[in-house]
This record gives sequence, C-alpha cells and structure tokens, in this order.
Amino acid sequence: NFMLTQPHSVSESPGKTVTISCTRSSGSIASNYVQWYQQRPGSAPTTVIYEDNQRPSGVPDRFSGSIDSSSNSASLTISGLKTEDEADYYCQSYDSSNLEVFGGGTKLTVL
Amino acid sequence: QVQLQESGPGLVKPSETLSLTCTVSGGSISSYYWSWIRQPPGKGLEWIGYIYYSGSTNYNPSLKSRVTISVDTSKNQFSLKLSSVTAADTAVYYCARAQPLLWFGELMGVWFDPWGQGTLVTVSS
Repeated sequence: NFMLTQPHSVSESPGKTVTISCTRSSGSIASNYVQWYQQRPGSAPTTVIYEDNQRPSGVPDRFSGSIDSSSNSASLTISGLKTEDEADYYCQSYDSSNLEVFGGGTKLTVL
Repeated sequence: QVQLQESGPGLVKPSETLSLTCTVSGGSISSYYWSWIRQPPGKGLEWIGYIYYSGSTNYNPSLKSRVTISVDTSKNQFSLKLSSVTAADTAVYYCARAQPLLWFGELMGVWFDPWGQGTLVTVSS
C-alpha cells in the first residue's frame, strides 16, 4: 500500500496563488486518478477536483489540479485567494489492492 | 439534488457494535456506489468501505474484520455496522455517494460526492 503525503499547513495572502502538494510514496502518481476535497471548519468535505484536474459544477475555475510524474505528486492550485478558501484540503487516490487512500490533509490559512 | 443524512446513536459502549444509517433523498439509491468515511476528532479522513446498490461490497482491510455495510433499496438507505468498538473508533462518521472511476470499463477507484453532514459517535462507558 502507498501513502499520500501533504504539507501540514500553508499560508498565503488574499489575491495570491497557493499550491498544495500530495506526494505518493510508492507506485506512479499517474496510475490512478487523484481527487481533492475542501473541508471548512465544522463542515463536511466537498469535492473541488476529481480525476486529477476536473472541477465539479459550481467549483470556480480558480481551483485547478495537476499531476507531475517527475516528483510523483499531485498538486492543487488556488489562484486569486479569498478568505473563504481558508480550509483543510485532502487529496485522495486508489490503491490497486482495492483501498481508497487519503492524504493527511493541509490547513490553508489566508491572511 | 441528492442529499444524504446520517442517523444513529451518538454514544456507544466499548466492545459493543456501532450502527449507523444513511438516508438518501432527492434521488434513487439504485445504480450507484455508497460509502462510509470517518474522521477522528482533530485528525484526517479514513475510508471505511463502500457498497454497490446490488449489495457487493469493498472494505478497508484495516477494518474489514469488524465492518458490515448493507443496503435497503426499498427505504433508499444504506447502513454501517462496526463491531467490538474501542475509544479509537470515536470519530465523525460521514456517508457519501461514491462515484466510480473507470479505466476501459474496469473499476479503478471512486471519488466521494456528495457527503452527508456527518455524525459524531463517541465510544465510552
């Protein structure tokens, strides 16, 4: 089984761009789709990216996803940061042993 | 728009069985996968398992010996049972629809959307 490692926290100012990484410990990041979820304090998670780079309807195009095989990682990029983007973000992918794996989560502070 | 709502006891004694139900509204439970995910207080997300509306299941190996997920299509509900609970099972439990990820027709994982609001279950005597 593999692990997905995320930075514990990131911070950036309103209007700026921030990137959150999600590194796969073994196996290729490209071999299974990566999803990203936003969890605001006291709320359930919501999907912001699925299938590496697809946005569900209603998610603004300020949110984008990508994968980088050279670093074996996925990234969530949020541009034009707003205070409402302050939340925990989790990546998720599939292990071929029929296991859904979540990253440990990244706390985004918009200050 | 599909909505999910968890229900069940908020307090369970150690060694007993945790039982939760998720009611799906605004759409049919048929033709979809449905999942349970949990989050211990202050910690990250852990996938528990999912069930297809027909009844086939897939469980997290770390919990497999204690977990049963079932579905009742007549009530548009699916349920979670977790046996022999300990304090380590204290968490917010979420139900979610599991959207299939297919590669040439083969299931290669799922993503979760939408989610229920979650329900806190505390294991304590």
